[in-house]
Amino acid sequence: QQPVQSPQAVILREGEDAVINCSSSKALYSVHWYRQKHGEAPVFLMILLKGGEQKGHEKISASFNEKKQQSSLYLTASQLSYSGTYFCGTEATSGTYKYIFGTGTRLKVLA
Amino acid sequence: DAGVIQSPRHEVTEMGQEVTLRCKPISGHNSLFWYRQTMMRGLELLIYFNNNVPIDDSGMPEDRFSAKMPNASFSTLKIQPSEPRDSAVYFCASSYYRAAYEQYFGPGTRLTVT
Repeated sequence: QQPVQSPQAVILREGEDAVINCSSSKALYSVHWYRQKHGEAPVFLMILLKGGEQKGHEKISASFNEKKQQSSLYLTASQLSYSGTYFCGTEATSGTYKYIFGTGTRLKVLA
Repeated sequence: DAGVIQSPRHEVTEMGQEVTLRCKPISGHNSLFWYRQTMMRGLELLIYFNNNVPIDDSGMPEDRFSAKMPNASFSTLKIQPSEPRDSAVYFCASSYYRAAYEQYFGPGTRLTVT
């Protein structure tokens, strides 16, 4: 079953913060986050493994709460380059190699 | 280093025709994934290979779809016969060893079946 992301879309001004959530109905082993710009391929941002770790990539960080079967992506002081569609990809069991991508969140950063 | 290479980038074909999409993964990567992306269904995993062996093809829509990986540097996704509902962007991605490592996506093939 496809993970549900929220919000579906968000518009920000440069410098503002945003949070994107990814919720699964299944227990999760790992979560990937990707950003896709229009007409381009998805680009990997980060992976979080079971254990509740939090990771960062520039001004983008993420957390993973396996008990709640949720992950959140935090965008701090957003830049124009952050615009795109963000997808979470979830893996239910280690070693299945089977990633199911979320519904996507469209983010637009305005100058 | 060259990234994942896909060809063709665009394909327009008529219903009933055979379509073959090609992918060259990043050298040294031993996992390869085929995805399909549409507005309605989002990004769907069709099949993935590990060390050239198909591991899970449960995402392949039906028997009209088949995928092969004859060696570590080449994979094909074939649709025969094609139907208008197969119109989508097809991505190939590769990673080192397993999905826990980052997947590198190719530029995609935009398929239009008329």
